[in-house]
Amino acid sequence: AQSVTQLGSHVSVSEGALVLLRCNYSSSVPPYLFWYVQYPNQGLQLLLKYTSAATLVKGINGFEAEFKKSETSFHLTKPSAHMSDAAEYFCAVSGDNQGGKLIFGQGTELSVKP
Amino acid sequence: ETGVTQTPRHLVMGMTNKKSLKCEQHLGHNAMYWYKQSAKKPLELMFVYNFKEQTENNSVPSRFSPECPNSSHLFLHLHTLQPEDSALYLCASSQVGTIGTEAFFGQGTRLTVV
Repeated sequence: AQSVTQLGSHVSVSEGALVLLRCNYSSSVPPYLFWYVQYPNQGLQLLLKYTSAATLVKGINGFEAEFKKSETSFHLTKPSAHMSDAAEYFCAVSGDNQGGKLIFGQGTELSVKP
Repeated sequence: ETGVTQTPRHLVMGMTNKKSLKCEQHLGHNAMYWYKQSAKKPLELMFVYNFKEQTENNSVPSRFSPECPNSSHLFLHLHTLQPEDSALYLCASSQVGTIGTEAFFGQGTRLTVV
């Protein structure tokens, strides 16, 4: 069985500050892990993914995430927040290589203050 | 058209109506998915189709009836829905069998049941 927990349903940062969105997972098999972003009234867009290659994964828009097996974590970071980063972020886990059978976390809404 | 397209973007229907949601993927993928996104709840996987065959139904009520006539098209037929079925319905596709594959999502259909 698999599950995902995102700590914090809402995170607020100032423009230029570090963004840290937390994700912990549970999986009985080696996981595939994903971060997606959703802008208002839009679908989900892939930010980055971990598929058992490098543990530090770089994605689009300056985001990156580090897979830490010992902590069962896959936290998302960005060194400097931009106003355009305001959106909802979802962490997801998959136990196979289908790509679309995903277990999602509850989501974290990121607000960026000027 | 590129990516995954869903129509209509918005739908309001009465509880006795019958309507259909349409999804088309232009990515040459071999798997398609329906997800439900309700307020305050994680995204829920509803149905999975691999090579046009339904491979997963996550205990979805029979008032939701999927159809996948070919690998590029996916429908969700709706009838006698309840107000709690109001949600954003997202379609996704992926290429099963490709290492590190990911899901591509459409923009969703916002359904309101009155």
